Amino acid sequence: EIVLTQSPATLSLSPGERATLSCRASQSISSHLAWYQQRPGQVPRLLIYGASNRATGIPARFSGSGSGTDFTLTISSLEPEDFALYYCQQRSTWPISFGQGTKVEIK
Amino acid sequence: QVQLVESGGGVVQPGGSLRLSCAATGFSFNNGIHWVRQAPGKGLEWLAYIGYDGNRKYYAESVKDRLTISRDNSKNTVDLQMNSLRPEDTSIYYCARDLDNYYYIAYWGQGTLVTVSS
Repeated sequence: EIVLTQSPATLSLSPGERATLSCRASQSISSHLAWYQQRPGQVPRLLIYGASNRATGIPARFSGSGSGTDFTLTISSLEPEDFALYYCQQRSTWPISFGQGTKVEIK
Repeated sequence: QVQLVESGGGVVQPGGSLRLSCAATGFSFNNGIHWVRQAPGKGLEWLAYIGYDGNRKYYAESVKDRLTISRDNSKNTVDLQMNSLRPEDTSIYYCARDLDNYYYIAYWGQGTLVTVSS
C-alpha cells in the first residue's frame, strides 16, 4: 500500500503570496497523482491530475509538478478563496490512497 | 449536469450493518464509481471502487473484509454494503465519479452521514 505524506501540515500565508505544498510517496508512482481542494463545508474539488494537468475550470494560478516520489502543488498568488485544505491522491497502485492534507490558512 | 446523490446513512449500533446507495444522473453511467469517507474533522479516506461494468472491484485494506460494492446499470445506482460497523466508521460517506476511468475523482456527491453509536 502506497503512503502519501504531505507537508507542511499547515501553511500560514497572506493573500497574494505564493504557496508551495509538497506530497511525497512511499514508492514511485510515476505521474499518477492528483490534487484536490476542500473548502470548509464543501466537498473536495479536483484541481490537478496526472501530476501537472489542470482540471476543467481550474485557474492558471494552480500548477502541479513532480514525478516518481516527490510532487508539488503551487498556487502562484493566493486569492481569498484559496485558503482551504489540500489533499494529494495516488492512482498508481490499488488501493488508491490520499495524503493526510495540508491546510493553507490566512496569516 | 452530473449529479450523485447518496442515501442510506443514519445511526447504527456497533456491530450492525448499513447499505448506502448512490443515484447518478446527468451522464451515461459508463464511468467507474468510488466511495470515499471523511470522519468529522479528519482527512479523506478512499474505501472502494467499481468499474463501469461491475467486473472490477477494489477495496481499501482497512475495510475490505467488511464492505461490498455493487452497481445496477439499469437503475444508475451504486451500493455500498457495510457490515460489522465500529464507532470509528462514523463519517460522511461520499459517492464519487471517476475522471473518464482514469481513477481520479472528478465529481462528488454531497455525502451521507453514518454514525455508529450505542
